[in-house]
Amino acid sequence: GESVGLHLPTLSVQEGDNSIINCAYSNSASDYFIWYKQESGKGPQFIIDIRSNMDKRQGQRVTVLLNKTVKHLSLQIAATQPGDSAVYFCAESSRTQGGSEKLVFGKGTKLTVNP
Amino acid sequence: NAGVTQTPKFRILKIGQSMTLQCTQDMNHNYMYWYRQDPGMGLKLIYYSVGAGITDKGEVPNGYNVSRSTTEDFPLRLELAAPSQTSVYFCASSYRVEGYTFGSGTRLTVV
Repeated sequence: GESVGLHLPTLSVQEGDNSIINCAYSNSASDYFIWYKQESGKGPQFIIDIRSNMDKRQGQRVTVLLNKTVKHLSLQIAATQPGDSAVYFCAESSRTQGGSEKLVFGKGTKLTVNP
Repeated sequence: NAGVTQTPKFRILKIGQSMTLQCTQDMNHNYMYWYRQDPGMGLKLIYYSVGAGITDKGEVPNGYNVSRSTTEDFPLRLELAAPSQTSVYFCASSYRVEGYTFGSGTRLTVV
């Protein structure tokens, strides 16, 4: 079956440090992956995505790495700030029986940034 | 654009009551979804729709019903509320999977 999971449920870092959040996926047919950030009381917000034909993609202070060999995804946040404190979800795209695409979400990692 | 709007934001139901969670989007997205998020957990897909008049079950559809009479609206119906349905419900819409936009959620408590 398909599943998306996370290695660490919680992560605590010091302000200014780099953060790395990991995610494992099991569906080798997935070709699209997304990281979402969810602040308390809010809906998930898109951070960065990557297609399976890439192994790295950079955004503003964030980098996503994809290792298809071991089915592993990571999110790197540079110079972590207090505003980065949130729960981070990875999601993979899978096709429904009807042929449309839907996202399968992992459980999430709670990132706490200490001042 | 308002994006995806969910109402109400909070609701307390008694066991056996019914209610409809409203979701509307103004982005002309074909795809709409309902997820539930239990404490400390990820999002689980309840129902989804690929266009007006078309709906299909997700991972956890039992106890829920949906309809999609227009592109903009995708209400979620709970007919006989149970404590197991206490959760935060998120509606989302997308053009393709790349363009997922989530609403701010409805926090439902069944007592």
